[in-house]
Amino acid sequence: SQQGEEDPQALSIQEGENATMNCSYKTSINNLQWYRQNSGRGLVHLILIRSNEREKHSGRLRVTLDTSKKSSSLLITASRAADTASYFCATEKNFGNEKLTFGTGTRLTIIP
Amino acid sequence: GEEVAQTPKHLVRGEGQKAKLYCAPIKGHSYVFWYQQVLKNEFKFLISFQNENVFDETGMPKERFSAKCLPNSPCSLEIQATKLEDSAVYFCASSLPGSYEQYFGPGTRLTVT
Repeated sequence: SQQGEEDPQALSIQEGENATMNCSYKTSINNLQWYRQNSGRGLVHLILIRSNEREKHSGRLRVTLDTSKKSSSLLITASRAADTASYFCATEKNFGNEKLTFGTGTRLTIIP
Repeated sequence: GEEVAQTPKHLVRGEGQKAKLYCAPIKGHSYVFWYQQVLKNEFKFLISFQNENVFDETGMPKERFSAKCLPNSPCSLEIQATKLEDSAVYFCASSLPGSYEQYFGPGTRLTVT
């Protein structure tokens, strides 16, 4: 069964603008991760935030986590054409090496 | 190797035929995961291994699907008597012990006609 929902389903913005996508999940988690999927390729890990963290940064990425609302957001600042991809959140329930439960994904298009 | 390798890239099978997909995890990664992605949407977990042992098979369809990870061989996912609904991209991922991050292969696109 589907664990998470992401919104928006699709997002188009101009290069240089910021992109924000959201993810909600249903059960308690150990951590939440964001992955990127370029067209026709596998997933690439972007960033992980643990359940006891509220915000994390990595380069142009900023992720927040609100466990009371069971939601997370991913912000990509100063977007580039190369950021065009689908972005998925994934949760891990208890400990490492567990299965990931994915959201439905946001398709991001950066317009040059 | 430094990347998860999956073969073949594409596989076309007639309904009722068998399909076998292969995955070579990153060297040193003792955990292997299989996921199914239908229509570029959500990823559905199928099964995971710790070395050659099944670690979690809660997502594995009871019928027709089987998987193995044997020593010194690529892991495999086999679908007996394929159905149209099995058409999807099957991704393999691997991880280090105790790690939260999974490394994904490029996927095998299975088309059942």
